[in-house]
Amino acid sequence: ETGVTQTPRHLVMGMTNKKSLKCEQHLGHNAMYWYKQSAKKPLELMFVYSLEERVENNSVPSRFSPECPNSSHLFLHLHTLQPEDSALYLCASSQDIGREQYFGPGTRLTVT
Amino acid sequence: QKEVEQNSGPLSVPEGAIASLNCTYSDRGSQSFFWYRQYSGKSPELIMFIYSNGDKEDGRFTAQLNKASQYVSLLIRDSQPSDSATYLCAETTGGFKTIFGAGTRLFVKA
Repeated sequence: ETGVTQTPRHLVMGMTNKKSLKCEQHLGHNAMYWYKQSAKKPLELMFVYSLEERVENNSVPSRFSPECPNSSHLFLHLHTLQPEDSALYLCASSQDIGREQYFGPGTRLTVT
Repeated sequence: QKEVEQNSGPLSVPEGAIASLNCTYSDRGSQSFFWYRQYSGKSPELIMFIYSNGDKEDGRFTAQLNKASQYVSLLIRDSQPSDSATYLCAETTGGFKTIFGAGTRLFVKA
């Protein structure tokens, strides 16, 4: 595996379900990010981790819960989501915070 | 509210022409600037980054940064139909917060 990988690529879940998105980077980077991309809107930064410590929580609802067990892995735990949470969720990594970011392929999430 | 502004387009250019994409930003403290290309249904792909005033060239791409006027641009020479995509401008301020523009759609006509 190379670059940044994300699983699953597509996810359909009901509002009462609990699911997790997984991201793994194979670039030896120190920073990892979660973004949300909705149709016709700019990328929205959700969370930033540097060396496994969260440095940014961009006023994200508590139904989204990130976890960074090590510098290569990042999770986004989802529970009791709303239909408006349907979007493309992108993970990215960079050598250090503020540097150029490399994105994974994204998870297309649909909440029914 | 710190913002990154881009014309949504679409910008249409003929094959072989120069495509010029522009971006303005509001935060004078912005330090790093990035251009990403995003094909429909795909994730953003880094094209260029620039930190200093002036021009930076990489193949057919040239990024231009003017901090005094708070704009950054991307020139694509010899545009190809495969360059048709949405181009995202982004800037990092405060050391870690990256803000993206909404993107400019580019269409290169064969």
